[in-house]
Amino acid sequence: GAGVSQSPSNKVTEKGKDVELRCDPISGHTALYWYRQRLGQGLEFLIYFQGNSAPDKSGLPSDRFSAERTGESVSTLTIQRTQQEDSAVYLCASSFRGGPNSEQFFGPGTRLTVL
Amino acid sequence: GENVEQHPSTLSVQEGDSAVIKCTYSDSASNYFPWYKQELGKRPQLIIDIRSNVGEKKDQRIAVTLNKTAKHFSLHITETQPEDSAVYFCARSHMNRDDKIIFGKGTRLHILP
Repeated sequence: GAGVSQSPSNKVTEKGKDVELRCDPISGHTALYWYRQRLGQGLEFLIYFQGNSAPDKSGLPSDRFSAERTGESVSTLTIQRTQQEDSAVYLCASSFRGGPNSEQFFGPGTRLTVL
Repeated sequence: GENVEQHPSTLSVQEGDSAVIKCTYSDSASNYFPWYKQELGKRPQLIIDIRSNVGEKKDQRIAVTLNKTAKHFSLHITETQPEDSAVYFCARSHMNRDDKIIFGKGTRLHILP
């Protein structure tokens, strides 16, 4: 079975442009997370989707960041009016909540470079 | 608060020696404590986890201990090898609720030749 996939793998954009990052979680996984990881840094939580519950958006750094998830499948993270400090790897992870094993499976990430 | 404190941020050990990474938390309802390893340029991957009904779990050279009273848990790597060089993240969550998983800030482990 396929793991978590993300696209694009790399994105170079100009300051001020909008970008959209995509995450395809493992089928059947009810929980989906987005993280930002700057070079040499830890996992910065952005947003968490769990089933039909309202998403936990407490980690979004500004109103330029938003994310959506269609049911329990694909999620998109949108960054509007990108700034240079948005440059980072954006990681998506999914897990099956409620089961005996809540392991998070991470995607390969999207490396975003804002020029 | 909900944060997980992780120490040290950087650790260097001689190959063959042991490495210990410690994490503390404050939410006493936490009952699931995983550890993730992230090699350079790769995604984090689960290496071991422990649930609150046990105090220790071992998997070959890796062990995790949990002290629920003191609210801390530790990762122990014995007989370290070059491939153990990576960033290690501890985390906590509550498996039976919809709480999000909370990660520590990570420990960069260097295995010296």
